[in-house]
Amino acid sequence: GQNIDQPTEMTATEGAIVQINCTYQTSGFNGLFWYQQHAGEAPTFLSYNVLDGLEEKGRFSSFLSRSKGYSYLLLKELQMKDSASYLCAVMDSNYQLIWGAGTKLIIKP
Amino acid sequence: DVKVTQSSRYLVKRTGEKVFLECVQDMDHENMFWYRQDPGLGLRLIYFSYDVKMKEKGDIPEGYSVSREKKERFSLILESASTNQTSMYLCASSFREAVTGELFFGEGSRLTVL
Repeated sequence: GQNIDQPTEMTATEGAIVQINCTYQTSGFNGLFWYQQHAGEAPTFLSYNVLDGLEEKGRFSSFLSRSKGYSYLLLKELQMKDSASYLCAVMDSNYQLIWGAGTKLIIKP
Repeated sequence: DVKVTQSSRYLVKRTGEKVFLECVQDMDHENMFWYRQDPGLGLRLIYFSYDVKMKEKGDIPEGYSVSREKKERFSLILESASTNQTSMYLCASSFREAVTGELFFGEGSRLTVL
């Protein structure tokens, strides 16, 4: 079966750095995505990785290793507004998105 | 600003009632999707549509149907609501060639079935 694993919850301090991991087992691979979802709001697209390596976008970076079935989302200089759930999703060989359950990130002052 | 609008943020229905959830997007997207989101589970795809009048079953279509009469509107129908359909329902849309997978989501409709 297809599976996406990510931690249920993480806590970090304002101003610090946090890494949210995602491991996957899917039928084929056509890219990995990270979405951010604030409580009670719509998920919003953060990043897309299809090749191995690091993609940087401001304070957020996303890394992919296809051989290991592994990705992480790195958030730097954490702000209170970064408190949200972070959803990892993989596009399989049928171009369907398989979603992880999400990681709730709590930022403390 | 691009927008996906879901008709109701909160609904409370009784078992056996027929429920309509409406979704409208203003981005001229070809693809539209209905997901449900439950605690501890990833988003699960109910139905999707790549064009007007076209629909495809997702992973959990049982108990649901959809309608896409116009490009901008995708409706989810629960013919006879049951308590296990209590959930958050998310509508999303994307361009046909959205190989990067970027979906635009509505804010969700939280349905409670009593």
